[in-house]
Amino acid sequence: GIQVEQSPPDLILQEGANSTLRCNFSDSVNNLQWFHQNPWGQLINLFYIPSGTKQNGRLSATTVATERYSLLYISSSQTTDSGVYFCAVEGGSGNTGKLIFGQGTTLQVKP
Amino acid sequence: DTGVSQDPRHKITKRGQNVTFRCDPISEHNRLYWYRQTLGQGPEFLTYFQNEAQLEKSRLLSDRFSAERPKGSFSTLEIQRTEQGDSAMYLCASSRKREAFFGQGTRLTVV
Repeated sequence: GIQVEQSPPDLILQEGANSTLRCNFSDSVNNLQWFHQNPWGQLINLFYIPSGTKQNGRLSATTVATERYSLLYISSSQTTDSGVYFCAVEGGSGNTGKLIFGQGTTLQVKP
Repeated sequence: DTGVSQDPRHKITKRGQNVTFRCDPISEHNRLYWYRQTLGQGPEFLTYFQNEAQLEKSRLLSDRFSAERPKGSFSTLEIQRTEQGDSAMYLCASSRKREAFFGQGTRLTVV
């Protein structure tokens, strides 16, 4: 099955810094989502982005499907950005919506 | 749109007991998914429904696990004869097309 790798596994930033999280996947995808898992465990939708570029406030994401990677950019980070960021994909031949998750990037933003 | 709702949020049970979790999806979402997440890992797919039909089950879903979605609305996940290895966060998600939305999760602790 499709493999999803996220990097870096851990990231520590000072408040105000920018960061880039990466998600590599091993096959073509028809669904790619970025999530932020809050301290209570809920997965918050950030982007649905199987291809292209999207922006939402201080966050933006780019997926280059032909090269099998996606990037999540966080600018001017705040302490509330802390948590685990997950990339999840569905393989290109699938149509079930079943997501395969990466291991996540744990972000800590220090004041 | 009240989002995906899960109940209970936390459950502590003794080994060998049966437990049941409930998920109420976003209204008009015809697809519903169950995932399991253990500490430090990304969520793993367990099973999915399209309307009331259970269309796919993961090998992770042993015979002690059963899921239902009567009338294509809410869903229940039952674990019989719980084991300590069942301790995890159980996440429910729903979708209408490809983008999935998750509930707050049910954290199960088996003692």
